[in-house]
Amino acid sequence: QKEVEQNSGPLSVPEGAIASLNCTYSDRGSQSFFWYRQYSGKSPELIMSIYSNGDKEDGRFTAQLNKASQYVSLLIRDSQPSDSATYLCAVVGVGSARQLTFGSGTQLTVLP
Amino acid sequence: ETGVTQTPRHLVMGMTNKKSLKCEQHLGHNAMYWYKQSAKKPLELMFVYSLEERVENNSVPSRFSPECPNSSHLFLHLHTLQPEDSALYLCASSPTGQVAHYGYTFGSGTRLTVV
Repeated sequence: QKEVEQNSGPLSVPEGAIASLNCTYSDRGSQSFFWYRQYSGKSPELIMSIYSNGDKEDGRFTAQLNKASQYVSLLIRDSQPSDSATYLCAVVGVGSARQLTFGSGTQLTVLP
Repeated sequence: ETGVTQTPRHLVMGMTNKKSLKCEQHLGHNAMYWYKQSAKKPLELMFVYSLEERVENNSVPSRFSPECPNSSHLFLHLHTLQPEDSALYLCASSPTGQVAHYGYTFGSGTRLTVV
């Protein structure tokens, strides 16, 4: 079982729609969760972090965490073509508190 | 610029060459990381340095040799690489002991091609 799993996609949504990106993790004791955006040929950039169950909103982005289900998601409202990128889910586990463990990423395409 | 600078941006090297990748950060962070990113695979952790001491070596082949002379600089020395080592090599930094709160700041990466 992979430590952090994401659907690789590609996920395509029309402009203005809500894009929903999902991530599951295996380390039940994980405490910190991050979403990174990576444009093609570029390095990952941090867009959201979440630590507590529930929702966290930042502009058009909402991160959702459910520790009981070991599930974290990212919603992008009013999707724009500029949101087209690969989105990486990253987790700090109990056994690896010094580092992030990444999923393989979900490729999102927002169609004009 | 993210505050973490990597050079060179692109590198093509033969299997018998020796080269080095450089990473520099001026964010005041004390933890630095090397990751390898290959197509369709998760980011692979290679090395972790905390306060200039190597704290993690993730079963990386000896043809990759890291060096951290101070908390602002990190190198990855390469020799006798294989074509499968072609990838994007990413450097990242974080405040020591606070990665769970801050995550990482990544450099722009070095695209390595081994021919």
